[in-house]
This record gives sequence, structure tokens and C-alpha cells, in this order.
Amino acid sequence: QQQVKQSPQSLIVQKGGISIINCAYENTAFDYFPWYQQFPGKGPALLIAIRPDVSEKKEGRFTISFNKSAKQFSLHIMDSQPGDSATYFCAASGTSGSRLTFGEGTQLTVNP
Amino acid sequence: ETGVTQSPTHLIKTRGQQVTLRCSSQSGHNTVSWYQQALGQGPQFIFQYYREEENGRGNFPPRFSGLQFPNYSSELNVNALELDDSALYLCASSLGTFYTGELFFGEGSRLTVL
Repeated sequence: QQQVKQSPQSLIVQKGGISIINCAYENTAFDYFPWYQQFPGKGPALLIAIRPDVSEKKEGRFTISFNKSAKQFSLHIMDSQPGDSATYFCAASGTSGSRLTFGEGTQLTVNP
Repeated sequence: ETGVTQSPTHLIKTRGQQVTLRCSSQSGHNTVSWYQQALGQGPQFIFQYYREEENGRGNFPPRFSGLQFPNYSSELNVNALELDDSALYLCASSLGTFYTGELFFGEGSRLTVL
């Protein structure tokens, strides 16, 4: 019940296209869903996060869509740029705990 | 730059040895967590320290231990190293124990066990 499943494992998008990464979770106690971006040789950095009281959150070109009944959430990157090429991790946590459960990661490549 | 610094950045050990990894938290952060990231995988929670006490632990054996010091810096110790311990070890700092997901990660210490 602690797993967060992420897909696809890798994604190639053309510059200007839309990148979509999906995650699903089982634990209904999760109530905070961040996305992290990790460049090679760096630690993960928080990109955007959502709580289940809203179905969508947008920050610039990045949007999280959240479906509580389906226990799924996704990251949309609009107008993808080569600089967005990185590994993206979805994650989840509950307020009673203090740990993040990460997905397996998606390696995004944006071709120029 | 998150303000979280880790040392060493790379190290090589042999099976059975012991290793100590160090972390300096972002200024003002009183909580530190450690994660293990195997190659091509997402980070896995090892444990968290708040005010020098462990207050959460993942599915890792007791040979993984930690310390948090009064200045909120931290150490991760791993005894009796195994080949599967080869990974990137990430330290993350945050403010408080009621978790919001806003972790600030360091760049990690890459451990290779031969």
C-alpha cells in the first residue's frame, strides 16, 4: 500500500510539445503529492505539488491534474523545452508521517 | 542551490567495511531525512531525525544508523557494507515534522561497494 507507480519509464518529446507523466497510488492516507525534477549529478528538486482538495494546479508551464476517486495524478509540461530534459519523480506522503514515497521515475528527453 | 551540502561526493568501499556520510542542513531547518537512490530508481526513505532523535524509519536494517547534532548537521552510518548498498545517498532537510513534502535535497554521496 506504500507504492507509487509511475509511467512511462522514458519519454521523448519534440520541442514545443506536451509531456505527460502519470502516477497511481494505493494508500488512501496519502494527502500530499509533489513532483520532483532531477538532473544528472544533482539531487531532486521540488517542481510543483498538490493536495487532494483541488483537481488541478498550474505553475507556469507545469500542471498537475489530480483524480482522487481513481487515485491517480499526472504532470503535464506544456511547450516542452530541451532544458526540461531530466528525470521526473512523482511522490506522495501523508500528514501523519514524515516520509516521501517516490515513484520509479521518468526520464524525459526533449529534442530540439 | 538548496543550501544542503553533503560529503564526500564519491567514495569506494569494500564489502564488510563501514562508512559515514555527512550532511549539513539548510539554514533554519531542524529536520533531516536520508534517502537511498539506487541507479535508475526513485529515492527510498531510510530515516528521519528531528531535534536529534530518530522519528521515522523506512524498511532498512539496523546496520543503517544516523545521528543529528545540535547544529542540525547529520550523519548516516552504514556498517557491514554489502554490494547492494551501492547507491546515491541523499540527505534532505525540512522545517518541522509535520510533513509538507517540501524537502530540500543535497547533491548526494555516491557510494560504490566492491
